[in-house]
Amino acid sequence: KNQVEQSPQSLIILEGKNCTLQCNYTVSPFSNLRWYKQDTGRGPVSLTIMTFSENTKSNGRYTATLDADTKQSSLHITASQLSDSASYICVVILYSGGGADGLTFGKGTHLIIQP
Amino acid sequence: DAEITQSPRHKITETGRQVTLACHQTWNHNNMFWYRQDLGHGLRLIHYSYGVHDTNKGEVSDGYSVSRSNTEDLPLTLESAASSQTSVYFCASSESGQGWNEQFFGPGTRLTVL
Repeated sequence: KNQVEQSPQSLIILEGKNCTLQCNYTVSPFSNLRWYKQDTGRGPVSLTIMTFSENTKSNGRYTATLDADTKQSSLHITASQLSDSASYICVVILYSGGGADGLTFGKGTHLIIQP
Repeated sequence: DAEITQSPRHKITETGRQVTLACHQTWNHNNMFWYRQDLGHGLRLIHYSYGVHDTNKGEVSDGYSVSRSNTEDLPLTLESAASSQTSVYFCASSESGQGWNEQFFGPGTRLTVL
């Protein structure tokens, strides 16, 4: 069964510090991996998407890495800000040749930034 | 600006009642999705549509139905609400084609079934 496991479940760090969130998956055949940010009471918003051939992709202070051999991805947040407090969801896309339903969602990591 | 909206944002209903949650998008996307989000679970797909008059069952479709009469709207109906359907519901849309196209999510509807 295709699965996406995220760790840690929750994380508290001080403002200005860096942190790394992990995503391990068993989805096969793998196509793409996307990270979403979900603020409390809002819908998820895409941060990055990576194909199997990409190792790193950045979006401002957010940097996603992907190791397709070990089926691991990470999201690194640099110089955290209070606005980074949110849940971060890893989504792995199955290569289904066109189907828009082949997405497996992780349960998310709940990140709290303290002043 | 294009957007996706959901209504109501909050709903309380009683067991056995029929409930309809609205979803409206102005992106002109062919693909639309309904998810539920519960503590301890990731987003789970309920139903999805690839275009007008097309509907498909997702992972957790029992007790739910959808219909697609135009591009902009995909209402979700709970035929006979159950307490197990208390959840936060998200609607999303994406361009037609590949699964890696970004899904744009609505703000969610918090549904409580008493």
